[in-house]
Amino acid sequence: GESVGLHLPTLSVQEGDNSIINCAYSNSASDYFIWYKQESGKGPQFIIDIRSNMDKRQGQRVTVLLNKTVKHLSLQIAATQPGDSAVYFCAEITNNAGNMLTFGGGTRLMVKP
Amino acid sequence: KAGVTQTPRYLIKTRGQQVTLSCSPISGHRSVSWYQQTPGQGLQFLFEYFSETQRNKGNFPGRFSGRQFSNSRSEMNVSTLELGDSALYLCASSLGLAGVENEQFFGPGTRLTVL
Repeated sequence: GESVGLHLPTLSVQEGDNSIINCAYSNSASDYFIWYKQESGKGPQFIIDIRSNMDKRQGQRVTVLLNKTVKHLSLQIAATQPGDSAVYFCAEITNNAGNMLTFGGGTRLMVKP
Repeated sequence: KAGVTQTPRYLIKTRGQQVTLSCSPISGHRSVSWYQQTPGQGLQFLFEYFSETQRNKGNFPGRFSGRQFSNSRSEMNVSTLELGDSALYLCASSLGLAGVENEQFFGPGTRLTVL
């Protein structure tokens, strides 16, 4: 089971550099946003989430920024490692839409050693 | 604790056939959601089952159906397969209905190829 492969934008970074992956979401009424990481042969894995009443949330080596004015979400990965190579998806949940998860198109991150 | 398991992992069918995919959620999880992942459309929500009832449905034709059993295991069925149904089908489970308070955990997916 590989992840989506053919039509993804790709971000290539050097090991140790910081990575910034961007996502534009569609619904201004969305309440909650999640970043997922999908490695080859695996399903998406939760990385970090943020509620719509926040503009920044930090995890271990990752930070999510939310700009509701322009409906933009970003994932920052500090000191990128080869194990971070994967496809990254943002997803939004809108409570008044049955809590359905709507995914963005994904970005492939490639880390050069 | 075992993760979400999906069977089979790979499947090849021909147009017009039907297929059934299976998903076993994490023990204790009562919600199972299904997604289709293709290069062209990305990840799209199919439906969600909770307590054996379909609670939410995405924008897919009626050829796509599912069910959930009393032990929370779920199956999805696709009838009259079309070439465009070739995709990775992902199952995700959560304690309660998927949403802000209930993180979804994904299985590895079933890769369906329709010839």
